[in-house]
Amino acid sequence: NAGVTQTPKFQVLKTGQSMTLQCAQDMNHNSMYWYRQDPGMGLRLIYYSASEGTTDKGEVPNGYNVSRLNKREFSLRLESAAPSQTSVYFCASQGDRSFPTEAFFGQGTRLTVV
Amino acid sequence: AQSVAQPEDQVNVAEGNPLTVKCTYSVSGNPYLFWYVQYPNRGLQFLLKYITGDNLVKGSYGFEAEFNKSQTSFHLKKPSALVSDSALYFCAVRADNYGQNFVFGPGTRLSVLP
Repeated sequence: NAGVTQTPKFQVLKTGQSMTLQCAQDMNHNSMYWYRQDPGMGLRLIYYSASEGTTDKGEVPNGYNVSRLNKREFSLRLESAAPSQTSVYFCASQGDRSFPTEAFFGQGTRLTVV
Repeated sequence: AQSVAQPEDQVNVAEGNPLTVKCTYSVSGNPYLFWYVQYPNRGLQFLLKYITGDNLVKGSYGFEAEFNKSQTSFHLKKPSALVSDSALYFCAVRADNYGQNFVFGPGTRLSVLP
């Protein structure tokens, strides 16, 4: 039972390079999220997708784009990476954000921008 | 606006002693409250949640949390700490209004000393 799978686990980028973080869930969840985790700041929401075909900005969307490719997959793209985007990125899924159910998290992608 | 505070960056406790990790919140409306644990290089794992009903909620691995509406708190507790409980703990809140997102606290690092 895989749950939420993120790829890659580690990545080093040069400033200005682009990359896409992949996320897939096998729990038939409607809602998916991308967070970044920085020391002392907890998790901050970048973008979310309430359901297939919809995406919305979270707290810190600048410099990122997302695609909800289908119900299973939700990708995060950095078009032109900056050192400020060095962080650990987590994808999460939730049955339906209309209800008070918990979210399930992937294992994270540790991104370093040099 | 929703917010979560975890007033202690670090909590140290001896193995076998009771532990408490503190969380206070601010939300418009009734809160849904969650605790997650993060082990090194892993994603967040759900521990327990308060939605409604009994103020004392029991969760995974012997953890429990007490909801206190008047103090807007949701402290995590365990009667007897284990070394394996050492990890980073996150409190999260969302309002019961339709379509609200989770807001996470900054995290508290728990160290259980043998």
